[in-house]
Amino acid sequence: AQSVTQLGSHVSVSEGALVLLRCNYSSSVPPYLFWYVQYPNQGLQLLLKYTTGATLVKGINGFEAEFKKSETSFHLTKPSAHMSDAAEYFCAVSAPTGANNLFFGTGTRLTVIP
Amino acid sequence: NAGVTQTPKFQVLKTGQSMTLQCAQDMNHNSMYWYRQDPGMGLRLIYYSASEGTTDKGEVPNGYNVSRLNKREFSLRLESAAPSQTSVYFCASSEEERLNQPQHFGDGTRLSIL
Repeated sequence: AQSVTQLGSHVSVSEGALVLLRCNYSSSVPPYLFWYVQYPNQGLQLLLKYTTGATLVKGINGFEAEFKKSETSFHLTKPSAHMSDAAEYFCAVSAPTGANNLFFGTGTRLTVIP
Repeated sequence: NAGVTQTPKFQVLKTGQSMTLQCAQDMNHNSMYWYRQDPGMGLRLIYYSASEGTTDKGEVPNGYNVSRLNKREFSLRLESAAPSQTSVYFCASSEEERLNQPQHFGDGTRLSIL
C-alpha cells in the first residue's frame, strides 16, 4: 500500500525566499511521485512527477523536487518565492503497476509574504 | 482552450434528492476521473474510466454512479443525496496510457447537501 505525509499544513515564506514543502512517502514498491498545485477555486494542476530515471525532477513555474529513496522523501523546492506561488500544494504517490492507486497527501497551504 | 469543463459550479440539494454532475474534456483523452475533496484531506478517487464504455470503482464509490457517455463526457450521479456527500467534486482527464495519473482538472463543483 502507498501513502504520503506532508509535513506542515501551512507554510509561510517571504517573497524571494526559498520555498521548501516536505513530502514523505510510504510504498512497498518503487513509487511514482507527483506534486500538484491548487489555486483558489480552481482544480489541481500537475507541477511535476517522478517515475524513473533522474531523481531531480524539474517542473513548471521554477519548481523542482528530488526523489530520495534512502529518506523516502520527495520534497518540493523553489529558490525564490513569488507572490503568485501562494496556493495549496499536494503530494501524491502511486505504484508503477495497477490502477486506482493514486494517493494524495492532505496538502500544504503556502503563503508568500510581501 | 477549454480543457476540462464541469457543470454546475455550485449546487445545493436536500437530502434524498438526485442530481448529475457533468464533465466534458476537449483534449481527446482516454482516461477520465471523478474525485471528491474534503477539508483537511487530499483528493479521493470516486470512479474512473480508462476508455469510452468502461468504468471502474475508486476508493469511495458508495452512493455514486457514473456514465462514460462518449470519449468527451463523463458524468457523476448521486441517486439519493446524503449530507456526507457535501464536498467539492473534481473531474480530471489524462493522456497517459497508464491509469491514475490525472493531468488536467476542472474547476470543481461545490455541492452542499442539507
